[in-house]
Amino acid sequence: EAGVTQFPSHSVIEKGQTVTLRCDPISGHDNLYWYRRVMGKEIKFLLHFVKESKQDESGMPNNRFLAERTGGTYSTLKVQPAELEDSGVYFCASSQDTGDGRYNEQFFGPGTRLTVL
Amino acid sequence: GEDVEQSLFLSVREGDSSVINCTYTDSSSTYLYWYKQEPGAGLQLLTYIFSNMDMKQDQRLTVLLNKKDKHLSLRIADTQTGDSAIYFCAEIDGGSSASKIIFGSGTRLSIRP
Repeated sequence: EAGVTQFPSHSVIEKGQTVTLRCDPISGHDNLYWYRRVMGKEIKFLLHFVKESKQDESGMPNNRFLAERTGGTYSTLKVQPAELEDSGVYFCASSQDTGDGRYNEQFFGPGTRLTVL
Repeated sequence: GEDVEQSLFLSVREGDSSVINCTYTDSSSTYLYWYKQEPGAGLQLLTYIFSNMDMKQDQRLTVLLNKKDKHLSLRIADTQTGDSAIYFCAEIDGGSSASKIIFGSGTRLSIRP
């Protein structure tokens, strides 16, 4: 079974440009998460989808970031316009939603390394 | 808010034990985790411990949890070169495994011959 995949693996853009990151979760996983690690610091939560709905977007840094999950399958994270401080590694994760209180692991993708020049 | 802290670097000799320590702040966390990130790879869940446990052992890995002091440690016995990686301590935000994960900054483990 394929794991969580992310595209692209690397992206180098100039300040002010737009970048769109994509995440394909594991098939059947209703929960989808975005996290990012900036400048070697801690990995920080950005937001959580349950199917196509935003369950928690408390970690989104500002309105330059837009996440979507139309149809409840893959998700995109758009940064527009990108700033220097947006550089980092963006991770996506997915998990099942059994809804019965059981432990469900969040499986992480390999990440997208974003460099804003 | 919630916070997870860990030292940034650890260097050990091959064959010795590695101990990575972590402190966290959210006493309501149901699960605490150790993730591993190898160079160029994604995050891999190494092990997790349920908050009502004190210890968990899995082959070369031993996790110790001190809930009173909010201290979590990971011990790797007989450290090998393949253990070189960044190790992230993490806690779940609340009681559900579907909640967001709060990560530390990561400890870079390097192995010397």
